[in-house]
Amino acid sequence: DADVTQTPRNRITKTGKRIMLECSQTKGHDRMYWYRQDPGLGLRLIYYSFDVKDINKGEISDGYSVSRQAQAKFSLSLESAIPNQTALYFCATSDRRGIVPSNEQFFGPGTRLTVL
Amino acid sequence: AQKVTQAQTEISVVEKEDVTLDCVYETRDTTYYLFWYKQPPSGELVFLIRRNSFDEQNEISGRYSWNFQKSTSSFNFTITASQVVDSAVYFCALSEDAAGNKLTFGGGTRVLVKP
Repeated sequence: DADVTQTPRNRITKTGKRIMLECSQTKGHDRMYWYRQDPGLGLRLIYYSFDVKDINKGEISDGYSVSRQAQAKFSLSLESAIPNQTALYFCATSDRRGIVPSNEQFFGPGTRLTVL
Repeated sequence: AQKVTQAQTEISVVEKEDVTLDCVYETRDTTYYLFWYKQPPSGELVFLIRRNSFDEQNEISGRYSWNFQKSTSSFNFTITASQVVDSAVYFCALSEDAAGNKLTFGGGTRVLVKP
């Protein structure tokens, strides 16, 4: 089973609709992240969470909100979707603990969102 | 602020040719990590390598090799004897220790290997 899962994998919605993308992990990591990928721009950080009570804005948080329901779950919401939020969304996890933290992030398979 | 630049947006080669992907980074931190990820047409991100700022040794893994040069803030990636399966988008990324694991990605380089 995958360590980091995302649901749904694909979603088509209309402008103005509320959308929630969900991410779950079984790695026991404390840190979770949401990125979006646009052609030519790489991945950009939307929000990140270092633990359940810690939520931080990333580079492009406008139009998005998040919820860390538990250590293993981190959801991303688009309150009123617009076409320029059409993108590939990735969830990732990392673990700050360990004798030699590596800063490595583990990515989910991605959610392809299309806003019409 | 940290920044990663991948100047090559797309590279096209014929199978068995070598291809080098450039990555230049900017950071004020003295402790940082550099990564390369591969994104095949299926879309997932595949981790290739991690290098910390205190380890400047070059690394070779099969047909892949990496050249880390702090003096020029570069972390270049070479695929030797390319194969069609190497066709993908490759991302270079930077994580500053002080920034708590947040990754900054370059724009990616699309590699197309033709048979």
